[in-house]
Amino acid sequence: SELTQDPAVSVALGQTVRITCQGDSLRSYYVNWYQQKPGQAPVVVIYGKTNRPSGIPDRFSGSTSGSTAYLTITGAQAEDEADYYCNSRDSTNTRLGVFGGGTKLTVL
Amino acid sequence: EVQLVESGGNLVQPGGSLRLSCAASGFTFSSYSMSWVRQAPGRGLEWISYISSGSITIDYADSVKGRFTISRDNAKNSLYLHINSLRAEDTAVYYCARDGNYYGSGNYYSLFDHWGQGTLVTVSS
Repeated sequence: SELTQDPAVSVALGQTVRITCQGDSLRSYYVNWYQQKPGQAPVVVIYGKTNRPSGIPDRFSGSTSGSTAYLTITGAQAEDEADYYCNSRDSTNTRLGVFGGGTKLTVL
Repeated sequence: EVQLVESGGNLVQPGGSLRLSCAASGFTFSSYSMSWVRQAPGRGLEWISYISSGSITIDYADSVKGRFTISRDNAKNSLYLHINSLRAEDTAVYYCARDGNYYGSGNYYSLFDHWGQGTLVTVSS
């Protein structure tokens, strides 16, 4: 099973942007969101749909509705420009992990 | 400080084999499940394999099942990925990642909380 993300999204500096992730598995399994900057390993920014790890700014938030998960950045900063990946479980075999295709966020 | 250091990546001909290693430090390796995630050049992340702390549970993505073998040596704080029958589409940076469990909103959740810097596997003749 797959998780589908928009390939690219842009946001003006200081504005709010929402990144989406769609997949059947999201109806029954939680999502984690990862941020990846060029040449770096990914970093988790949201886990368990809505929880923020320590050290992640509170402008990052997560939510879900049905089969869609959302990562919202309220007041985007230049340093938020990165690729964002949702991650959950395969809906046909929940023991298997799956990532979305990623969304490249550009902060204008 | 948690550290994961991958090694073993190389240029390999199609059909060849490799063993990737991930050296762990800064935490009790034997208490954590581990995973391998890869990223082809310019592409997204792909989860490929999981191993539980005691090697009881092992899983693979369909794309690598039958060709890749994950293993670990808790005495050596090391994770491994044996890759056989390499194909051009296996060209990627291979990351090892720790599966951490975190509490939030009344539940525990599993996530990749620490990653290595990755090791590059290039499959080409």
